[in-house]
Amino acid sequence: DAKTTQPPSMDCAEGRAANLPCNHSTISGNEYVYWYRQIHSQGPQYIIHGLKNNETNEMASLIITEDRKSSTLILPHATLRDTAVYYCKASPRETSGSRLTFGEGTQLTVNP
Amino acid sequence: DAGVIQSPRHEVTEMGQEVTLRCKPISGHNSLFWYRQTMMRGLELLIYFNNNVPIDDSGMPEDRFSAKMPNASFSTLKIQPSEPRDSAVYFCASSLWGTAHGYTFGSGTRLTVV
Repeated sequence: DAKTTQPPSMDCAEGRAANLPCNHSTISGNEYVYWYRQIHSQGPQYIIHGLKNNETNEMASLIITEDRKSSTLILPHATLRDTAVYYCKASPRETSGSRLTFGEGTQLTVNP
Repeated sequence: DAGVIQSPRHEVTEMGQEVTLRCKPISGHNSLFWYRQTMMRGLELLIYFNNNVPIDDSGMPEDRFSAKMPNASFSTLKIQPSEPRDSAVYFCASSLWGTAHGYTFGSGTRLTVV
């Protein structure tokens, strides 16, 4: 799996957009970009994934640069419940058997 | 859908005792994963099953750990005998093989071995 780099922490005001960056400069052509988050004391939660195109679902939007070397997860209207550690991962399709391991992630704190 | 269901939520046991953790995956999912999470080592994959068959158990720490999946709706992770260093949060996750969709995790079992 490609190495990913994320800032260790970010703050965001409640109601504002949270933009979480991830660098994956060594990503291969068959690797997807996945985002998960882990709220304290809970299991990791899948958020979104993408290969080349930008993606949006009910939780977030994923913007992938044209060269695929970086991406940004966008929470359009952050709430206090979005406070969590956010993990970016680049790997082949999740169910290909590759080990799901997380790096350090970004601790997002949403402030009232 | 109730999601991935794990039991118990918390388990405190004495060293040397047998511990059994249980998992019910999401109906229709055909892959199941057991993970362990500690502060020191982060999230580690222990074993995963595809269509009830163990595919990769290379993450299982040692012979004291065993996992079974007798049917598509149930899996167990057993530790016998347990040791204090097994204290961790154990997560079960399931997914639909052959898709790029992410895994769905359970709420975890917090195991404390004293």
